[in-house]
Amino acid sequence: GQQVMQIPQYQHVQEGEDFTTYCNSSTTLSNIQWYKQRPGGHPVFLIQLVKSGEVKKQKRLTFQFGEAKKNSSLHITATQTTDVGTYFCAVGGSGNTGKLIFGQGTTLQVKP
Amino acid sequence: DGGITQSPKYLFRKEGQNVTLSCEQNLNHDAMYWYRQDPGQGLRLIYYSQIVNDFQKGDIAEGYSVSREKKESFPLTVTSAQKNPTAFYLCATPPPEGRNEQFFGPGTRLTVL
Repeated sequence: GQQVMQIPQYQHVQEGEDFTTYCNSSTTLSNIQWYKQRPGGHPVFLIQLVKSGEVKKQKRLTFQFGEAKKNSSLHITATQTTDVGTYFCAVGGSGNTGKLIFGQGTTLQVKP
Repeated sequence: DGGITQSPKYLFRKEGQNVTLSCEQNLNHDAMYWYRQDPGQGLRLIYYSQIVNDFQKGDIAEGYSVSREKKESFPLTVTSAQKNPTAFYLCATPPPEGRNEQFFGPGTRLTVL
């Protein structure tokens, strides 16, 4: 079945440093979504990318969709302690079922 | 999130017992999903329902059962056949109008002793 690989699994940064997580698929994606899960919480939808080469920004977060629509990245500029959590990418499963297939997630720790 | 509730937040059961997790939504959404999350891993789909009185197996349905008798409710039963039931269980529902992001409930953390 469809899979999406997400790296790295963990990242520890000093507050103020940048952070990037990557998702890769062997197949062309129709879209990709990003979620954030705070420790002890539930995933919260951040954004969806649809177009080839698309770049979207939300304050210090920059989301990119690759030209071939097989990869995506989430970049956080100047991390803050509030950025701590696990970031997941998710792609649609086969068929029009609304199912999502999630990457393994990248857990971000920020040292103040 | 918002109009999705899951109860209880923490649940403890003895091995060999069936347990039912609640998921309720007042968003009038047709589709509902159950995911399982293990430490350090992504979410895996257990069951989903796109409409009342209909549901489909996800990727890891063995040892679980569901029902969808009402639009607002999608309970998940973890049976004694599930070999590793201890996990964080998340219920989700996508908004209508063709959008496919998912809104998640707060989750139930099940520990089987």
